[in-house]
Amino acid sequence: EVLLVQSGAEVRKPGETLKISCRASGYNFNNHWVGWVRQMPGKGLEWMGIIYPGDSETRYSPSLQGQVTISVDKSISTAYLQWNSLTASDSAMYYCARHRMQYGEYSSFDPWGQGTLVIVSS
Amino acid sequence: EIVMTQSPATLSVSPGESATLSCRASHSVYSNLAWYQQQPGQAPRLLISGASSRATGTPGRFAGSGSGTDFTLTISSLQSEDFAVYYCQQYSKWPHTFGPGTKVEIK
Repeated sequence: EVLLVQSGAEVRKPGETLKISCRASGYNFNNHWVGWVRQMPGKGLEWMGIIYPGDSETRYSPSLQGQVTISVDKSISTAYLQWNSLTASDSAMYYCARHRMQYGEYSSFDPWGQGTLVIVSS
Repeated sequence: EIVMTQSPATLSVSPGESATLSCRASHSVYSNLAWYQQQPGQAPRLLISGASSRATGTPGRFAGSGSGTDFTLTISSLQSEDFAVYYCQQYSKWPHTFGPGTKVEIK
């Protein structure tokens, strides 16, 4: 079974750093793009960025470029989403999701992780 | 960036009736279009990819159609578990943008 298991909820103060994780199992981690999707409270889905674990090629949404960093550790089949300086507007649910198709850039997301809630508050 | 729009924002339907949801892209995305369902408090799940191919486990009452810029998701004979929010997503060009969603609620 293909599974993506995300790290638990986080509470941080503005200006702090944070790295959340998404651990994959049940498939060849190197061969599928893994993306991150933000959902702010009561709002829709926002595509943030994506990484290809095989060579760490990364694409970001232009609106979020420079605000977050996506990375992987192939040795433990885990993708990460990192902030260097959080703000209150980063408070949201964050989902990781795998491209359904191997290798290709053009694919839907399937499956999804269960989500990581991030709360940024002073 | 390709902008996705969905209509209506909210659709009120009685159980057993059908629902038609629309999704439009600002530029052609060919058939690179997916539909997702999100239940309250849950992660989204893939329903349809390639505009019309049902994902594993998607019931036959869900049907996707369209290509280019105009797409439709039809849900026939709505069941209680179908009342949810539905998002379309284009994956033709980075960033792979989502539509704002259509909430299907019980009438």
